Amino acid sequence: QLQLQESGPGLVKPSETLSLNCSVSGGSFSRSTYCWGWVRQPPGKALEWIGSFYRGGSTYYNPSLQSRVTISVDTSTNQFSVRLASVTAADTAVYYCARHGRGGCYWFDDWGQGTLVTVSS
Amino acid sequence: EKVMTQSPGTLSVSPGERATLSCRASQSVNNNLAWYQQKPGQAPRLLIYGASTRATGIPARFSGSGSGTEFTLTISSLQSEDFAVYYCQQYNDWPRTFGQGTKVEIK
Repeated sequence: QLQLQESGPGLVKPSETLSLNCSVSGGSFSRSTYCWGWVRQPPGKALEWIGSFYRGGSTYYNPSLQSRVTISVDTSTNQFSVRLASVTAADTAVYYCARHGRGGCYWFDDWGQGTLVTVSS
Repeated sequence: EKVMTQSPGTLSVSPGERATLSCRASQSVNNNLAWYQQKPGQAPRLLIYGASTRATGIPARFSGSGSGTEFTLTISSLQSEDFAVYYCQQYNDWPRTFGQGTKVEIK
């Protein structure tokens, strides 16, 4: 049973960098055919795709965030991370890590529980 | 960027009734569309992919249809656990985009 778990600070100051990790357990992370990603959801609002990557392959970012976001993978552990620079209150959201389904960056079939990040001084 | 527009914003339905939710794409996404259910405080749950294929473990009362720019999610007989927010997502093009959601509430 695949499990994803987000972790990181729940409070970030404006202009600083938000950094979150996603721990993956239960298999499939080592398989390069799977695509993994980050999605966020401001309180009371819709889902927004942040970016996705194939382990050992390409990374794709939402153009609206591309200048500020970096997704990276720790190949020694079953973890991947997202960093979002120069945050503002508009970046306050629940951040989810997720796995895309069936070997492509298509739909998301497994999600972490999400972690709320608040941007405030 | 493909803009996904869902309607209605809120749908009031009685238990046992049928619910029909719509999702429209600003340009064709072929059949590369997924539907998710989200309950308060929970992560989204995949219901449908490929516009009409139910994900593993999803009850048969959920069905999806459509292609191109017009898509529909139908819940044939609403159960108490189905009251939630539903999102569509296209994966035909980058960036991946979601609709703004339809809330299905108890009438």
